[in-house]
Amino acid sequence: EAGVTQSPTHLIKTRGQQATLRCSPISGHTSVYWYQQALGLGLQFLLWYDEGEERNRGNFPPRFSGRQFPNYSSELNVNALELEDSALYLCASSWDRGSGELFFGEGSRLTVL
Amino acid sequence: AQSVTQPDIHITVSEGASLELRCNYSYGATPYLFWYVQSPGQGLQLLLKYFSGDTLVQGIKGFEAEFKRSQSSFNLRKPSVHWSDAAEYFCAVGPDISNFGNEKLTFGTGTRLTIIP
Repeated sequence: EAGVTQSPTHLIKTRGQQATLRCSPISGHTSVYWYQQALGLGLQFLLWYDEGEERNRGNFPPRFSGRQFPNYSSELNVNALELEDSALYLCASSWDRGSGELFFGEGSRLTVL
Repeated sequence: AQSVTQPDIHITVSEGASLELRCNYSYGATPYLFWYVQSPGQGLQLLLKYFSGDTLVQGIKGFEAEFKRSQSSFNLRKPSVHWSDAAEYFCAVGPDISNFGNEKLTFGTGTRLTIIP
């Protein structure tokens, strides 16, 4: 069974540009979570999608947005990129909203120059 | 709001030696507690979790953790480490059952474990 897959693995952008990151959850998982892992910091919760709807978002500005498609895959968009957006972006999926068991992808490393 | 601290950024252990990774949390009630591992080139994987009951929790790969309310700790242990245990370990805390949702997990900053021969 395939795990959570993310693309691209690496992405380099300049300040002010937009970045789009993609995530495919494990088959059968309807919830997708996005996290930011900046250097020296723990995972910071960004967004949660379930059944095509945004269910919750973390303490991030509106330029961080996304969506979930009918096949449960998801996309994270970061507009007006800033240098401090450079980080590893992790996607996770889960079969249960309250199990605490998240299945993570390997992440997409975004570098903003 | 809950918080979690992993005091050790990097730990080096000899293969075959015992291991203890520290995790301290802050939360007003009894939290839900988790340990995740991130092996090189892989996503985070759940090692074990504590919701209630027996304070000593067994996980995968021979790991265990003990919830100590008096010390606000949930330390991860393994009696004998293997070279394949080299990875980054993350402790996470969530609110109690009345408030819990996966998106409410708070992760620590991680402890990198290096294994030497």
